[in-house]
Amino acid sequence: NAGVTQTPKFRILKIGQSMTLQCTQDMNHNYMYWYRQDPGMGLKLIYYSVGAGITDKGEVPNGYNVSRSTTEDFPLRLELAAPSQTSVYFCASSYGAGGLTGELFFGEGSRLTVL
Amino acid sequence: DQQVKQNSPSLSVQEGRISILNCDYTNSMFDYFLWYKKYPAEGPTFLISISSIKDKNEDGRFTVFLNKSAKHLSLHIVPSQPGDSAVYFCAASVQGGTSYGKLTFGQGTILTVHP
Repeated sequence: NAGVTQTPKFRILKIGQSMTLQCTQDMNHNYMYWYRQDPGMGLKLIYYSVGAGITDKGEVPNGYNVSRSTTEDFPLRLELAAPSQTSVYFCASSYGAGGLTGELFFGEGSRLTVL
Repeated sequence: DQQVKQNSPSLSVQEGRISILNCDYTNSMFDYFLWYKKYPAEGPTFLISISSIKDKNEDGRFTVFLNKSAKHLSLHIVPSQPGDSAVYFCAASVQGGTSYGKLTFGQGTILTVHP
């Protein structure tokens, strides 16, 4: 059981470039999330989705876009990359609003550096 | 505005002793609290949670205590094992309504358990 899979694991971008972080889950979870973690900081919510075709902004959405065309996939698009977007990005999913225990299942993370 | 704070960046304990990790929150609307554990190069994994209607929840070696009046929670690990060495994140959420399981994370505490 793969769980939540993120690609790529590492990426270096130049300022102004664009890219998409891929996330897929095989647990048939309705809810999916994108978080970013900066050094010495907790995870901050970028965007989330409660089902296919439904997305909404989290705490730090500026500079990002998402789409949710299927239950399995929740890609995160970075347009016009900036150094402030250097971070580790985590995709997560849950059965419902955090499930019975509030548990989110996280991917292994994607480390992005913008130079 | 850091709504969930872990004021100790690191904690070092001897194998077999108790580890106590602390977390404070400011938002009185939070009614569900979780602890996640994170190893290097991996995503966070769910450890234990507690609802605001309880003041204690236990799962094996892990116990979470909640003091609502002080807006404080703690994670106790007894006995501590070297494999417990990781970063521990405290997280909080508002259940129901439009919260959709969105979590607010603390900065994390690095726990090192020495053999």
